[in-house]
Amino acid sequence: DAGVIQSPRHEVTEMGQEVTLRCKPISGHDYLFWYRQTMMRGLELLIYFNNNVPIDDSGMPEDRFSAKMPNASFSTLKIQPSEPRDSAVYFCASSLLGDGYEAFFGQGTRLTVV
Amino acid sequence: AQSVAQPEDQVNVAEGNPLTVKCTYSVSGNPYLFWYVQYPNRGLQFLLKYITGDNLVKGSYGFEAEFNKSQTSFHLKKPSALVSDSALYFCAVRDERNTPLVFGKGTRLSVIA
Repeated sequence: DAGVIQSPRHEVTEMGQEVTLRCKPISGHDYLFWYRQTMMRGLELLIYFNNNVPIDDSGMPEDRFSAKMPNASFSTLKIQPSEPRDSAVYFCASSLLGDGYEAFFGQGTRLTVV
Repeated sequence: AQSVAQPEDQVNVAEGNPLTVKCTYSVSGNPYLFWYVQYPNRGLQFLLKYITGDNLVKGSYGFEAEFNKSQTSFHLKKPSALVSDSALYFCAVRDERNTPLVFGKGTRLSVIA
């Protein structure tokens, strides 16, 4: 398996524009997570899915953020409208069901909002 | 609620010397503990985990970690550091309810030749 695949790797956009980040989890994994990494706040969990169903979105910072998982092999994180403070690295991760299973991370998307 | 503390933002060590990166945790119930490493412009890579059993866990690249229940610690160790070990290290914990991993803020390890 190629691992968790995220696209794009880098995104530069203007304030107010819509941004869509994409993730393909590892085949067969039951859980999918979206994290955001910043220097100030470290790694924050934004939302996670179990079997394509959102379980906890309490980490989503504002209504401008939304995430979907239409099927087991694809998820999106959308920011509309984007703001400069959304600039960060966004990671997608997936794992199998079970307490002992580690999460596997994608390479991340570096988002810069100017 | 689960939490992880990595008390050192930065650890410097000379190549060939032993290294320790500290981590303490707080969970209700039994912990499941993980270490990840992040190289520049890369995602997090899994190093090792403690689920149950032997308190000393061995992982990738010669790293190991010791689970200490009384001190609620899970320190990462390596007997002899390499320059290539220089990276950002994250400790993470989850509890028995299969909740998502909660990460510490990370410790930057710098190994000097």
